[in-house]
Amino acid sequence: GAVVSQHPSRVICKSGTSVKIECRSLDFQATTMFWYRQFPKQSLMLMATSNEGSKATYEQGVEKDKFLINHASLTLSTLTVTSAHPEDSSFYICSARDGFYGYTFGSGTRLTVV
Amino acid sequence: AQSVSQHNHHVILSEAASLELGCNYSYGGTVNLFWYVQYPGQHLQLLLKYFSGDPLVKGIKGFEAEFIKSKFSFNLRKPSVQWSDTAEYFCAAQGGSSGSARQLTFGSGTQLTVLP
Repeated sequence: GAVVSQHPSRVICKSGTSVKIECRSLDFQATTMFWYRQFPKQSLMLMATSNEGSKATYEQGVEKDKFLINHASLTLSTLTVTSAHPEDSSFYICSARDGFYGYTFGSGTRLTVV
Repeated sequence: AQSVSQHNHHVILSEAASLELGCNYSYGGTVNLFWYVQYPGQHLQLLLKYFSGDPLVKGIKGFEAEFIKSKFSFNLRKPSVQWSDTAEYFCAAQGGSSGSARQLTFGSGTQLTVLP
């Protein structure tokens, strides 16, 4: 079946530094990928929709200058958390459309900002 | 606004008990509905999905869900749960009449704990 690889699975960084998270579709091409944030014991909140070759579409309240999304190829989207702060600590999950209505999720990235 | 509601935040059952998790959605127009499961430390996996046709959908691992349009509901059921079903369950919807028709909206999730 369709596989989405997300890397790294865990990252700890110092406050003020930037962190890049990669999301790859391994056996299919994904023109659209989605980035979610999941707080403990809460649901997935859509942050942005990543479109190959064009600018990402951000949800209301999500700072586009802080959460930089690049979807340079049909198999790779990256999320960069810039100037990270402790409140950015969270679980970030990407997903990709693997067909007309199919969605496959990455395994998530646990970001801890100290 | 589009929304998905899961009213059971935490459900605790004994093995072999029957399960029903509620999911209600608020969408205008056509809607596609999904149930995902997230086992501890793992990524989201699709249990089942409804696009059209038979409103009773059968998924993996013995799960099923029924789409009731008049009630805007898509409840998840399993006749007899196992300890290995302990996980977080998310209902999600896609569609509606807005421009963001392709993205999924998730419910808040239900933590299921099955006692051995």
